[in-house]
Amino acid sequence: GAVVSQHPSRVICKSGTSVKIECRSLDFQATTMFWYRQFPKKSLMLMATSNEGSKATYEQGVEKDKFLINHASLTLSTLTVTSAHPEDSSFYICSAHTTSGTSGRAGETQYFGPGTRLLVL
Amino acid sequence: SQKIEQNSEALNIQEGKTATLTCNYTNYSPAYLQWYRQDPGRGPVFLLLIRENEKEKRKERLKVTFDTTLKQSLFHITASQPADSATYLCALYTGGFKTIFGAGTRLFVKA
Repeated sequence: GAVVSQHPSRVICKSGTSVKIECRSLDFQATTMFWYRQFPKKSLMLMATSNEGSKATYEQGVEKDKFLINHASLTLSTLTVTSAHPEDSSFYICSAHTTSGTSGRAGETQYFGPGTRLLVL
Repeated sequence: SQKIEQNSEALNIQEGKTATLTCNYTNYSPAYLQWYRQDPGRGPVFLLLIRENEKEKRKERLKVTFDTTLKQSLFHITASQPADSATYLCALYTGGFKTIFGAGTRLFVKA
């Protein structure tokens, strides 16, 4: 259980175009999803927290107009990188909190998607 | 400032030995700490969670300790196998569903 999928796994796009990444919880409902960005050999950097049915909460320094997040249902959150530039090239990972984690308490464990590799040319 | 530090140098050990990875943090008071495994080009996979009032947690060949006085967690893999080779991430829960990750330590287990 607690499987999270991401689509696409890899995407190459031209500078100036927009790219949408989907994150789905396959076998549980996720009221909260998170979007991270990871550079090679670096830590995961939290970009934003996405709550179903409400606006996402962005971390300091993350442009909300650049990285549009929509959490339309309890199983789907999307991240759209608008007007992508080469510096947006990175590994984007989503995660979801379950309502009942393996520890038995709500929200303690994050289940991560497999990640999306974005390359902007 | 708040920091989470994991040994940035890779850890190389022989198969069958115990691998010990360290996570140190400053200026946090986490309610709990987690360890994740990450393989290249993949998302992290949850391994273990240990709370602030717990000293030790075990799961099969894995053991985690948590010393809130030293502000340190140790992650042990006993009887290590080449399949254990991966990057291991330490993560602190800082409240409000927010988790902060360390940069990870790369482990190589040689056959």
